[in-house]
Amino acid sequence: QVQLVESGGGVVQPGGSLRLSCAASGFTFSSYGMHWVRQAPGKGLEWVAFIRYDGSNKYYADSVKGRFTISRDSSKNTLYLHMTSLRADDTAVYYCAKTLGYCSGGSCYPYFDYWGQGTLVTVSS
Amino acid sequence: DIVMTQTPLSLPVTPGQPASISCKSSQSLLHSGGETYLYWYLQKPGQSPQLLIYEVSNRFSGVPDRFSGSGSGTDFTLKISRVEAEDVGVYYCMQSIQLPWTFGQGTKVEIK
Repeated sequence: QVQLVESGGGVVQPGGSLRLSCAASGFTFSSYGMHWVRQAPGKGLEWVAFIRYDGSNKYYADSVKGRFTISRDSSKNTLYLHMTSLRADDTAVYYCAKTLGYCSGGSCYPYFDYWGQGTLVTVSS
Repeated sequence: DIVMTQTPLSLPVTPGQPASISCKSSQSLLHSGGETYLYWYLQKPGQSPQLLIYEVSNRFSGVPDRFSGSGSGTDFTLKISRVEAEDVGVYYCMQSIQLPWTFGQGTKVEIK
C-alpha cells in the first residue's frame, strides 16, 4: 500500500533553514507528481509546492516562492522541501502528498490521493 | 487567487441523520475541456487529510456510498446521507483549476 513518511521537522530560529524529506513506498514514485501542503496550528490547509513526476516543472505558493525549493530523488524514492529564511508564520505541520490529475502544456490540475502523517516545523527564537 | 467559501463552519449532527456542507468558489471551476476541478477531503481528529470526492461527484476508492458530491460552476455540495460516528472531523473543499490551488476554510462536523 502507499506509504509516505515525512521527517526533518523541528524547531528553528527565524531566518534559519531546514530540509524536510518524504520517503515514498508502495507505488512507482518516478511516475507521479508530488506536493507539500502545510497546516498551521489550529488552522486550515495551505498548498505549498508541487513537482512534476520527472522534476521538469515546479510550482510554489506566493508565500514561499524564492525561499522554499521542492526537489525529488527518484533513485531514493524521496521528496524534499528545502526551506530557507524561515519566518514565524511558516510554523506548521508539513504534509507530503501524492498527486493524481494531469498536466497539459504549462497547466496542471492535480489533487491529492494519499498524504503522509506530517512533520511539525516550529519557527521560534 | 480563487477563494473557496464553506458553510457552515460548524455542523453538529445526529447519528443516522443527513448532513450537508456547501462550498462556493469565487470563480468557475469548469474547465474548457469539460472537467470541473473540485474536490472534498476529510481530516479526522489527529489524522492527515484523506480524499473523499474528486471532480465534484466521484467517490475515491473505499469511500462509503453515504458520501456524495454535487454541484457545478461555482456552487458545490457534499452530502452525507446518514451520519456515522466515524464521520466526525473537518471537511475541506479544494480547487485545482488555477494556481495557487486553494482550500476552503473547513467545516467541523461533530456529533450532537
